[in-house]
Amino acid sequence: DAGITQSPRYKITETGRQVTLMCHQTWSHSYMFWYRQDLGHGLRLIYYSAAADITDKGEVPDGYVVSRSKTENFPLTLESATRSQTSVYFCASGLTGELFFGEGSRLTVL
Amino acid sequence: AQTVTQSQPEMSVQEAETVTLSCTYDTSENNYYLFWYKQPPSRQMILVIRQEAYKQQNATENRFSVNFQKAAKSFSLKISDSQLGDTAMYFCAFMKHAFGSQGNLIFGKGTKLSVKP
Repeated sequence: DAGITQSPRYKITETGRQVTLMCHQTWSHSYMFWYRQDLGHGLRLIYYSAAADITDKGEVPDGYVVSRSKTENFPLTLESATRSQTSVYFCASGLTGELFFGEGSRLTVL
Repeated sequence: AQTVTQSQPEMSVQEAETVTLSCTYDTSENNYYLFWYKQPPSRQMILVIRQEAYKQQNATENRFSVNFQKAAKSFSLKISDSQLGDTAMYFCAFMKHAFGSQGNLIFGKGTKLSVKP
């Protein structure tokens, strides 16, 4: 199916565990983004990537790691999850002047 | 740095009536885009409308229209003939225009709109 997909849609984990959220897009967009959504904050940028093997930090990068070995995939890893990382995570990919969003991944860290 | 402010955390409107959501932004850029996104309970981010700053004409999409005041840095969304399906969180967002690249979206904190029957 064409579009942008995230997995898992829901994840519960424990403090200190490693978690990876996956993002896959079929449009071959160069740019991809990870946002987190928290009550009272809207969406905030964690990391973005301009192309394969090119990534850069956003507004709230601490505690997260990204990689982009292939244009279509942009995984987000929490190396040691903390309760403050409980959030809804959105992946997006871009065409000039517009971003397309995945359906979001709800992560709960106990 | 750019900022986006939505001063109305919650609003409600009767079905079939008109409602306006406010958004102001701060930037020193001259070329940029402004967006309104809708997020229903399904959590999906849905693009409602987009405005390019260099265009003086206000964007419209069916029942949705904007009032773009560049000098005042204001970008309000008007929803006409409100429908129950318009119930959602609405986010105003800013994107710097960059030739040959893709900008990041900077979001406001959102306005929760409830349409009442």
